[in-house]
Amino acid sequence: EVQLVDSGGGLVQPGGSLRLSCAASGFTFSDHYMDWVRQAPGKGLEWVGRSRKKGKSYTTEHAASVKGRFTISRDDSQRSLSLQMNSLKTEDTAVYYCVRVGPYSQDAFDIWGQGTMVTVSS
Amino acid sequence: DIQMTQSPSSLSASVGDRVTITCRASQSISTFLNWYQQKPGKAPKLLIYAASNLQSGVPLRFRGSGSGTDFTLTISSLQPEDFATYYCQQSDRTPLTFGGGTRVEI
Repeated sequence: EVQLVDSGGGLVQPGGSLRLSCAASGFTFSDHYMDWVRQAPGKGLEWVGRSRKKGKSYTTEHAASVKGRFTISRDDSQRSLSLQMNSLKTEDTAVYYCVRVGPYSQDAFDIWGQGTMVTVSS
Repeated sequence: DIQMTQSPSSLSASVGDRVTITCRASQSISTFLNWYQQKPGKAPKLLIYAASNLQSGVPLRFRGSGSGTDFTLTISSLQPEDFATYYCQQSDRTPLTFGGGTRVEI
């Protein structure tokens, strides 16, 4: 079964750090771009960033709202994606989803993790 | 950044109704437009990719159309399981952006 499992969320104080993980199974992880998308409580979806595959030199991109604070990385040997979040702000409170970029779908997100909740509060 | 504007933000409908949701991009995105369905407490699910292509397993009552800046998601005959929030998303260029969502309720 093709699956993404998100983990690592929790309660953290403003200014703190947290590392999210995403475990992939059922497909060739190394063939895909992988992204993070978040959703604040009661709000819409926001793209956080992208990790490209080896053929694109493993380049990453991050949304302006998280640039310089969040870092996306991947380990193809472990079939995992990570999101290191530093200098967290209250506005980073959200459910964070790991998503697979479909290879034949004009970059649509065809597989989603179940999400992991991050709460930034004192 | 490309802004995505969805309308309406919410609508009330009945089982069997035909429902249309529109999405407008602030600049041309060709057919790099995707539609997702999200139910409460669940991750979004891909319905339509590249403006008009039905994702595997999605019922035929869902149809997407449009190109350039104007796009439409149509549900031909609303079913009880279709009550959810729908989002459009452009995948033409980063930063990828979503519409604000359309909540379909009874």
